[in-house]
Amino acid sequence: GAGVSQTPSNKVTEKGKYVELRCDPISGHTALYWYRQSLGQGPEFLIYFQGTGAADDSGLPNDRFFAVRPEGSVSTLKIQRTERGDSAVYLCASSLFPGQGATTGELFFGEGSRLTVL
Amino acid sequence: DQQVKQNSPSLSVQEGRISILNCDYTNSMFDYFLWYKKYPAEGPTFLISISSIKDKNEDGRFTVFLNKSAKHLSLHIVPSQPGDSAVYFCAASARQGGSEKLVFGKGTKLTVNP
Repeated sequence: GAGVSQTPSNKVTEKGKYVELRCDPISGHTALYWYRQSLGQGPEFLIYFQGTGAADDSGLPNDRFFAVRPEGSVSTLKIQRTERGDSAVYLCASSLFPGQGATTGELFFGEGSRLTVL
Repeated sequence: DQQVKQNSPSLSVQEGRISILNCDYTNSMFDYFLWYKKYPAEGPTFLISISSIKDKNEDGRFTVFLNKSAKHLSLHIVPSQPGDSAVYFCAASARQGGSEKLVFGKGTKLTVNP
């Protein structure tokens, strides 16, 4: 498809386990974002990539969270030693960087990966 | 400390009438504002945006108004349609400050009744 693809759509894990969530952005989009949406809240910024590098990781809650984008396309969000409080929908978005011709600054979101930590 | 606030968790309007969704912000560095719409089990989709140098932006049935002095923006939908029923998120960014991240409000659930 032409949109942002996220896998898995649902992940149930036990407290203390390791989890990886994958995001495949829209082809040609150099900017990639991870957000987290907890129940009853709006999306909360985690990390932003411009190309392969993390340009802003100020939203990562602690060092259990890590994200990579080794080739500037697909990104993986990694969560170590999961806790019940990590349960949320993890949203990935991509966009054209403003200099690439984006006019609205809009982010294109995937459907999210729902993580449940038991 | 919420920098973007949507104080109405829900709004119900009749089909054909106007829907007005409100949003307040506290960070004076915000210079770009967006509205996103979200249906259940889907990701948010972009609706409309406005730069801080403007006070109004219109796109079809959707108009966003920005009052910088009051740090307030609103989204008007007219006429409202049942398909507009969704959760609407207000978001802001501080682009001049070099930030590309969006700060979202908690959302307002709009229900348009036929």
